[in-house]
Amino acid sequence: DVKVTQSSRYLVKRTGEKVFLECVQDMDHENMFWYRQDPGLGLRLIYFSYDVKMKEKGDIPEGYSVSREKKERFSLILESASTNQTSMYLCASRTGTNYLEQYFGPGTRLTVT
Amino acid sequence: AQSVTQLDSQVPVFEEAPVELRCNYSSSVSVYLFWYVQYPNQGLQLLLKYLSGSTLVKGINGFEAEFNKSQTSFHLRKPSVHISDTAEYFCAVSDQSGGYQKVTFGTGTKLQVIP
Repeated sequence: DVKVTQSSRYLVKRTGEKVFLECVQDMDHENMFWYRQDPGLGLRLIYFSYDVKMKEKGDIPEGYSVSREKKERFSLILESASTNQTSMYLCASRTGTNYLEQYFGPGTRLTVT
Repeated sequence: AQSVTQLDSQVPVFEEAPVELRCNYSSSVSVYLFWYVQYPNQGLQLLLKYLSGSTLVKGINGFEAEFNKSQTSFHLRKPSVHISDTAEYFCAVSDQSGGYQKVTFGTGTKLQVIP
């Protein structure tokens, strides 16, 4: 059974803290994605990675960075958390040869106070 | 650039009644189309997808969708809903232009099934 896991389901951080969100997939997928989900706005792409050490900006990359040192792991970093980054963060993965279904993790609900 | 519009943010429907969730897209090239479902406190999972061929696509849990190229629509339907169908539904589009093939999601429709 395919699986995408995220390090935390709920996270509370203070303004200005550095925050790491981790995502791991066990499907040997080349592509991995970070989205944020906000009510009324749907899913918006923050960053994606099409292979190890490769990354591309999505639609809303400001205030975020990413790291992909190993194929199975994709990290989202908030360098200095702000209250407007309070959101649900979803990680997804997909094969690099069959640009079809994305497999999603359960999400991390981040609150920045 | 591609875009997706889900006109209805919420759709209440009585149990065992039919439902249609609307999705319209915009793209300058041919597209792949998807519907995903998100149950409370979970990630998204694929309901169905249109790649090519028959315009009527059947998915899991009794859902189906019809691709209409002239109206640029991909509406989701179910003839009889259950309480367990209460969830948020997202339409998504991915163009066929090659390369990365970005996926764009709609804003979602919350389906509330009333007993």
